[in-house]
Amino acid sequence: SYELTQPPSVSVSPGQTASITCSGDKLGDKYACWYQQKPGQSPVLVIYQDSKRPSGIPERFSGSNSGDTATLTISGTQSMDEADYYCQAWDSSTAVFGGGTHLTVL
Amino acid sequence: QVTLKESGPALVKPTETLTLTCTVSEFSLSNARMGVTWIRQPPGKALEWLAHIFSNDDKSYRTSLKSRLTISMDTSKSQVVLTMTNMDPVDTATYFCARLMGMAAAWYFDFWGRGTLVTVSS
Repeated sequence: SYELTQPPSVSVSPGQTASITCSGDKLGDKYACWYQQKPGQSPVLVIYQDSKRPSGIPERFSGSNSGDTATLTISGTQSMDEADYYCQAWDSSTAVFGGGTHLTVL
Repeated sequence: QVTLKESGPALVKPTETLTLTCTVSEFSLSNARMGVTWIRQPPGKALEWLAHIFSNDDKSYRTSLKSRLTISMDTSKSQVVLTMTNMDPVDTATYFCARLMGMAAAWYFDFWGRGTLVTVSS
């Protein structure tokens, strides 16, 4: 079965750029999405189809996908961005999520 | 504003069947470009996709749970129902429903319900 691998945790200082990776076999041939989840809340879509931002998502969130790796980049990271982030892709008609990355802003 | 709301029992016993309902508003389940999915999250763990359905009755299930899952849609009630048989304590999780948008292989979950916690215990 298809698997997506994320680092368990990433740390970033406020105002700096955070990069969260998601690795999978030939992931660049698929579309990747990213979801943000804060404690006790439902996930929120922040990037879809590799690099598109839904309405209401700040411009500091961006995405890319090439080769075996998709990357979520948060520029000028703010304390409110501290959360868990999940990548997701499709393997045929089944959705696959990565294990999640906890972003710490300190 | 698009909303989805999950409902169902908070507690089920091992071996019982779980039935969860997702009631949607401000979008039509008859819209061929939209579907509904169920995703769960065990406490402290990652998201896990379970199943999805579209208005043309196109369905897909998580391979490892396919024998236990059934998803159905009632467009007149704006509801999507998920049943999971033979519940086990490892199935304890928050169950979310979400709207599925986009195109094949490029779908995404753009609106989510708040989730409902289901505990499996005798």
